[in-house]
Amino acid sequence: QSALTQPASVSGSPGQSITISCTGTSSDVGGYNYVSWYQQHPGKAPKLMIYEVSKRPSGVSIRFSGSKSGNTASLTISGLQAEDEADYYCTSYATSVVFGGGTKVTVL
Amino acid sequence: VQLVESGGGLVKPGGSLRLSCAASGFPFSNAWMSWVRQAPGKGLEWVGRIKTKTESGTTDYAAPVKGRFTISRDDSKNTLYLQINNLKTEDTAAYYCTTDGGHWGQGTLVTVSS
Repeated sequence: QSALTQPASVSGSPGQSITISCTGTSSDVGGYNYVSWYQQHPGKAPKLMIYEVSKRPSGVSIRFSGSKSGNTASLTISGLQAEDEADYYCTSYATSVVFGGGTKVTVL
Repeated sequence: VQLVESGGGLVKPGGSLRLSCAASGFPFSNAWMSWVRQAPGKGLEWVGRIKTKTESGTTDYAAPVKGRFTISRDDSKNTLYLQINNLKTEDTAAYYCTTDGGHWGQGTLVTVSS
């Protein structure tokens, strides 16, 4: 199973909104509502930000939201803050598990 | 939820290693568990997962590790294992155990070098 496709980098100014895309196929992203997003700061373990496409775990800021259209899932960060600077990974976990290549978010 | 990995270290190519993940704070026997690795400076790579005993403890593996990696669990000890055989330099990575609920340990580093 091939990795999901994410942009290598996305940047934005504080207060702006950014969107990270995650493209798969009808066998993974498009076929099931089992897409999660993780945030990873340098030297730290990944942290779950979104699961089942658009659900937020307890404690995750409402500035983070997820959606899906066809074979592409998206993570939107609203009101960008300095602490949001990190790597973000999408994953599809239906019949098998596959990660995206990761997106580095830079806050300008 | 707490997940604590151990067993990493420096190993020569061709060697073997068994990683452990001690779990607490949730009903371990009811959870699907996975291993994910991350090579230095690279992205996350799913290694494999194990289902619950009631689902026959079925395992699935990523293609690059199939045949060399074995995932097992001991529900009496709330512990997940990853047996790695015939280690290759490209197996150098931090290895994380994760739950199906999205919890991760802090990882254990495996370095394969002569």
